[in-house]
Amino acid sequence: NAGVTQTPKFRILKIGQSMTLQCTQDMNHNYMYWYRQDPGMGLKLIYYSVGAGITDKGEVPNGYNVSRSTTEDFPLRLELAAPSQTSVYFCASRGTKPYSNQPQHFGDGTRLSIL
Amino acid sequence: AQTVTQSQPEMSVQEAETVTLSCTYDTSESDYYLFWYKQPPSRQMILVIRQEAYKQQNATENRFSVNFQKAAKSFSLKISDSQLGDAAMYFCAAWGGGADGLTFGKGTHLIIQP
Repeated sequence: NAGVTQTPKFRILKIGQSMTLQCTQDMNHNYMYWYRQDPGMGLKLIYYSVGAGITDKGEVPNGYNVSRSTTEDFPLRLELAAPSQTSVYFCASRGTKPYSNQPQHFGDGTRLSIL
Repeated sequence: AQTVTQSQPEMSVQEAETVTLSCTYDTSESDYYLFWYKQPPSRQMILVIRQEAYKQQNATENRFSVNFQKAAKSFSLKISDSQLGDAAMYFCAAWGGGADGLTFGKGTHLIIQP
């Protein structure tokens, strides 16, 4: 049981390039999340999804896009990379009940540098 | 929406002693959940302990316990018998129970002195 898997673990991009951060979970969770963690800060929510085909913006969505075509996958797309997007990105998932104490399961993160 | 404040950027404790990490929060939700996550240098996010706001009893998990003061909107983490492996960043987080995600504080860097 792999849990939440993120790829790649590290990436360096040039300004203006695009890339997709991959996230997949094998726990059949409905809820999936993308967070970013800037140096010395806590995690901030970028986008989330409550199921296949349904996504919504979090606190810091500008510059990102997401899609959710399957229950398992929730990729995050950066279209025009900017230095302000240098951060560590975490994907997380949670079970099927909307109001419960089910914790979020986190991937190991992707460290992204924009130069 | 929630806000979470951790006022201690860094704490240091001797091995085997007890340390308390502070967290205050604000929320407009009547039902909500509170969490403490540990982030070691490997950057994994590891759930330490969780508390449902409707429960009066403070949560405990082995050496970890919380002091949940609902009226004061305070949610502190107590680590007893500190071990070298407890050294990490600790994040307090709140969740309103809906579809959206967690709201995190800025974290407290815990140092364990041998």
